[in-house]
Order: sequence, then structure tokens, then C-alpha cells
Amino acid sequence: EPEVTQTPSHQVTQMGQEVILRCVPISNHLYFYWYRQILGQKVEFLVSFYNNEISEKSEIFDDQFSVERPDGSNFTLKIRSTKLEDSAMYFCASSADRGSNEKLFFGSGTQLSVL
Amino acid sequence: RKEVEQDPGPFNVPEGATVAFNCTYSNSASQSFFWYRQDCRKEPKLLMSVYSSGNEDGRFTAQLNRASQYISLLIRDSKLSDSATYLCVVSQDSSASKIIFGSGTRLSIRP
Repeated sequence: EPEVTQTPSHQVTQMGQEVILRCVPISNHLYFYWYRQILGQKVEFLVSFYNNEISEKSEIFDDQFSVERPDGSNFTLKIRSTKLEDSAMYFCASSADRGSNEKLFFGSGTQLSVL
Repeated sequence: RKEVEQDPGPFNVPEGATVAFNCTYSNSASQSFFWYRQDCRKEPKLLMSVYSSGNEDGRFTAQLNRASQYISLLIRDSKLSDSATYLCVVSQDSSASKIIFGSGTRLSIRP
């Protein structure tokens, strides 16, 4: 069964450092998403991406964050200068459709720890 | 009012019991509705979509009430493996770019 893959599974970084989280969505999917989940809290929407541009972003997705689809298969989330409060599990997701048929398929996540 | 609201639980029920969860959403323009389950420290996984006419998948039944803006999930004959957090998920508008998760309802099935 096709799946969304994320690397690395764990990332430890120092506050102020840049991190890039990588995702390979399911190959025929067109819509890509990043979510995060702080330990013990709910899954929060960060950003959606379609046709090589951001479709929607939340208040969390400020200027520190950026997304890119550099080569037609990878979908990356960059955090420019990490803060302690960026520590969370980051989930990438993709879907084939939008509207009433879209279903999200999630990767297994990258656990980011900012020290 | 929260965009998507759920009773956090935990619901602690014996194996074989029937359990029901509700979820309310605030945006009347919401288009699509889903239930996901999430095991501890794992990714959310789609359980089922929720259709206006209601739908059933084995032991699971989902209902949508647009007038009252709530969604329900019923689990019959619960199994130990049903223990998880159940997430109510709502697509906020017709563009489907913003899909919002509830905080989840924790379910624990005891032998």
C-alpha cells in the first residue's frame, strides 16, 4: 500500500538553528499538508500546498516557516530559527482530491526536540 | 467557540460494550467530515468518512447532523484493539485547503 514517508523520525536541534523536515507524499497525490502536535495536545494545521504554492496557512505558520517542493517528489518544511516551543511531532499528509472526497494520509511523523 | 470540539474523555468501557462519541463544529460552511483514530505517539489514521445520510463500516457507524452541527461515532461490540484516541476532523470550507482536527476523545477498553 502506498504511504507517505517522513525523514528523519527524530530531530534534535539547538534553539536558533534551522531545521528541514522532509516528506515524500504518495506519488499520485496533488495536495500536501503539514500538521504539528505538541505532546498531549491536538493535531494543529500548519499549511496546505497545491500546484507549487501555499493554498492556506494558519496563524502558527509565521515567517519562520516555509515549505517547498524542490524536485517533484519531496515536500519539505523549513523552520528558520527554531524556538523551544517548536518542539513537537510534525506530520506530513497528502491527499488525491479536494472537496468532499479528500482523505488525508499521514506520514509517521518527525519528532522535533529543540534544546 | 472552538472550531471543532470533542469531549476529551477518557471513556473507559468493558469489552463488548457499545460506546458513542459526539463532536461539534462551529463553521456552518464546513464541507467534509471524518473520524480518525490515533494510537499513542503515532500518526492519525483515517477510520471513516461521515456522510449526510449516515454510514456504517462493520462495528462503526457515523452520523452527521448539519442543522445542529454535530457528528457522532458509534462503536458496537468494542474490542481491546479499539483503545485509542478518536479524532473528529472537519474540512473548513469548499476549497478543502484547511482541515481541522478536534482534540480527540480517549477510549480505553478493559477486558
